[in-house]
Amino acid sequence: DTAVSQTPKYLVTQMGNDKSIKCEQNLGHDTMYWYKQDSKKFLKIMFSYNNKELIINETVPNRFSPKSPDKAHLNLHINSLELGDSAVYFCASSQGGTARDTQYFGPGTRLTVL
Amino acid sequence: GQQVMQIPQYQHVQEGEDFTTYCNSSTTLSNIQWYKQRPGGHPVFLIQLVKSGEVKKQKRLTFQFGEAKKNSSLHITATQTTDVGTYFCAGPGTASKLTFGTGTRLQVTL
Repeated sequence: DTAVSQTPKYLVTQMGNDKSIKCEQNLGHDTMYWYKQDSKKFLKIMFSYNNKELIINETVPNRFSPKSPDKAHLNLHINSLELGDSAVYFCASSQGGTARDTQYFGPGTRLTVL
Repeated sequence: GQQVMQIPQYQHVQEGEDFTTYCNSSTTLSNIQWYKQRPGGHPVFLIQLVKSGEVKKQKRLTFQFGEAKKNSSLHITATQTTDVGTYFCAGPGTASKLTFGTGTRLQVTL
């Protein structure tokens, strides 16, 4: 069984569209994250949720809205997609929300905005 | 904010050669983690170091945490093609979140 899963794996869409990425973890972890990895491989945290509560919200445009219906799921909705949103988006989870907790990453969603 | 820089950005070695990547922080770190991302894959946790001067080994990989806890290194002895990927260090940043380094991409050829 996959520990952290994401759907879809690939997403190709036009500028201006709205899209969602879903993430689920079956590890029983309390904390989930969204990361953006650009073409230079930089991994930047976007959001962190602990037990459905938003903990970290980096300087991300408010076109990005995370939603955590329960602690096993963290979805990412993006409105009015722009070319610069093209990247790989990784969901991750950890038992606690500290920097000492090991993070387990999903397989990633490669988003291409045309 | 806290930044974690890695050098080199990229290294290309022949199989059997050694490889080292260095991680430097602008602030003292309470701990440091290392992750490996294979091409097309996702980051996978390798190890965590917490003590000043700590050295840990995993087969051909040796991880070291500096005495001042501001730097760390990962050394691979006798690289193999399976070592190909991007290696990230990560340490605590603002609001205790894990901040990933800039990564070192390793290419190994026969």
